[in-house]
Amino acid sequence: GAVVSQHPSRVICKSGTSVKIECRSLDFQATTMFWYRQFPKKSLMLMATSNEGSKATYEQGVEKDKFLINHASLTLSTLTVTSAHPEDSSFYICSAPTLPGHPGYTFGSGTRLTVV
Amino acid sequence: GENVEQHPSTLSVQEGDSAVIKCTYSDSASNYFPWYKQELGKRPQLIIDIRSNVGEKKDQRIAVTLNKTAKHFSLHITETQPEDSAVYFCAASLDQFYFGTGTSLTVIP
Repeated sequence: GAVVSQHPSRVICKSGTSVKIECRSLDFQATTMFWYRQFPKKSLMLMATSNEGSKATYEQGVEKDKFLINHASLTLSTLTVTSAHPEDSSFYICSAPTLPGHPGYTFGSGTRLTVV
Repeated sequence: GENVEQHPSTLSVQEGDSAVIKCTYSDSASNYFPWYKQELGKRPQLIIDIRSNVGEKKDQRIAVTLNKTAKHFSLHITETQPEDSAVYFCAASLDQFYFGTGTSLTVIP
């Protein structure tokens, strides 16, 4: 079945540094990738939608300059948290539409970011 | 945009009893309604889904019902087992997902 590989699974970084999270579709082409953020015991919050070859679409309230999204190819989308702060600590997860014309989505395994 | 509300936020049931989780949505154009089960720190797993042209769908102990007129849909789990304990999310989708706030289900042995 369709698999989205997300790395790293866990990362600890210092305040002020940047962290890059990668999501790769392993056996299908993902022209679109959704990026979510999840706080403990809370729902997934859509941050942005990345589209291969064009600029990402950000949800209201999400800082574009802080959460840089790049969809470099049909199989790779990245989220870079720039100048990280402790409040950026969260669980970040990506998902991609699995099949053309099918509403199913495949989730990455998630990245636990801790900013110290 | 779409607004999805989910109730209850927590639910405890005795093993063997049924559990029902309800969601409402605001955008009548939404046409796909999946339910996800998420264990702590892991990715959500799709457990069942329903499209807007169907009123009910069942898969073993799990069923989902959809009322398009009222814009609400529900997840039903029968004969609950301890391994059903997790957080469940509903979602409504047209071109992207909007998730409900989640229900933490605890099945007491």
